[in-house]
Amino acid sequence: AQSVTQPDIHITVSEGASLELRCNYSYGATPYLFWYVQSPGQGLQLLLKYFSGDTLVQGIKGFEAEFKRSQSSFNLRKPSVHWSDAAEYFCAVGPSNDYKLSFGAGTTVTVRA
Amino acid sequence: DAGITQSPRHKVTETGTPVTLRCHQTENHRYMYWYRQDPGHGLRLIHYSYGVKDTDKGEVSDGYSVSRSKTEDFLLTLESATSSQTSVYFCAISEDREPGYTFGSGTRLTVV
Repeated sequence: AQSVTQPDIHITVSEGASLELRCNYSYGATPYLFWYVQSPGQGLQLLLKYFSGDTLVQGIKGFEAEFKRSQSSFNLRKPSVHWSDAAEYFCAVGPSNDYKLSFGAGTTVTVRA
Repeated sequence: DAGITQSPRHKVTETGTPVTLRCHQTENHRYMYWYRQDPGHGLRLIHYSYGVKDTDKGEVSDGYSVSRSKTEDFLLTLESATSSQTSVYFCAISEDREPGYTFGSGTRLTVV
């Protein structure tokens, strides 16, 4: 069975600083990997996804993520955060032969002025 | 935006009463899912559907049932609501051969 770990429950970052959110997965083969963002009181929006190919994936809102098979990781990064990036971020993994996703517990990002 | 709506958006109900949440999509997607979101747990899969009358249990299905009589509608029923079912419920859809979800806006359910 697949599982996802997001080691950081809460991260505080200054506006304009860089951001990195960690995600580690457990799955026997190459999974499908996703990052979603949830603003307060809203649903989840897809930021980016990885299926195969280039291990550095570009997403919306200036985010990128890098798949590292050797570390079973799919960390999310943004070079310069904006106050509007304050939200909860979820990493998700799905097997390549199925469509059900497993989600991490989420990381809440606070942006300070 | 993908056409996926959840109703109601908010509901307060009493312990022991039945509750039905509705997910409606206009995308004609084959796959539909119900998740619950709780602090510290992320999203956990309750039930899912791969087509009309084709449903299966997820990891936290106890106390829940689902039905899908039409492609566009996926109903989640709490047969006898308990306080532990107080949560935010999300419906999601996905296309055939295209992993990744589109989510509804969620239903906040409070069981008192």
